[in-house]
Amino acid sequence: DVKVTQSSRYLVKRTGEKVFLECVQDMDHENMFWYRQDPGLGLRLIYFSYDVKMKEKGDIPEGYSVSREKKERFSLILESASTNQTSMYLCASSLWSLAGGPGELFFGEGSRLTVL
Amino acid sequence: SQELEQSPQSLIVQEGKNLTINCTSSKTLYGLYWYKQKYGEGLIFLMMLQKGGEEKSHEKITAKLDEKKQQSSLHITASQPSHAGIYLCGADMEYGNKLVFGAGTILRVKS
Repeated sequence: DVKVTQSSRYLVKRTGEKVFLECVQDMDHENMFWYRQDPGLGLRLIYFSYDVKMKEKGDIPEGYSVSREKKERFSLILESASTNQTSMYLCASSLWSLAGGPGELFFGEGSRLTVL
Repeated sequence: SQELEQSPQSLIVQEGKNLTINCTSSKTLYGLYWYKQKYGEGLIFLMMLQKGGEEKSHEKITAKLDEKKQQSSLHITASQPSHAGIYLCGADMEYGNKLVFGAGTILRVKS
């Protein structure tokens, strides 16, 4: 079974702190994604990566950066956390589907971040 | 995402009743994915639809993609408490690109 592991289920940080969210997948997937989930807004894509050292902005990249130095690991970085970044963060990975497109996404359990 | 509209936003049904959740787009969908989420957890993949008119079933859940590939429906037959959760549709709207998601439908099943 594909396993996507997020380093922390719950975090509490203070405004201005630097925050690292780590995600590791064990199935050699090319694609990795970071979403945030907020009530009424669904999942919104922050960044995605389709190869090592490659990254693409999603719909809401402001205030975030990412790092993908190894294929299995995709990190989300909040350089200076703010209260409006309090949210559930979901990491996902996938293979390209045979018909094209990002294919089935496998999600981690999520990291609930609270910024005070 | 406003690109994908889900309806209804929430739903309460009596155990044993049937229900339908809809996912609508103004653009052609190259791939449509249905996921289920238990509160506070990650998403579990249910089904993927790619061809116009395609229909797939898994246990008591059936998903369809219309001929124009702009709308999908998820139908649950004889609902059970285990069906409760948040159902999200995700779509590949630009060929070969990322998935965008609807806002989700919260389903509660009363025993």
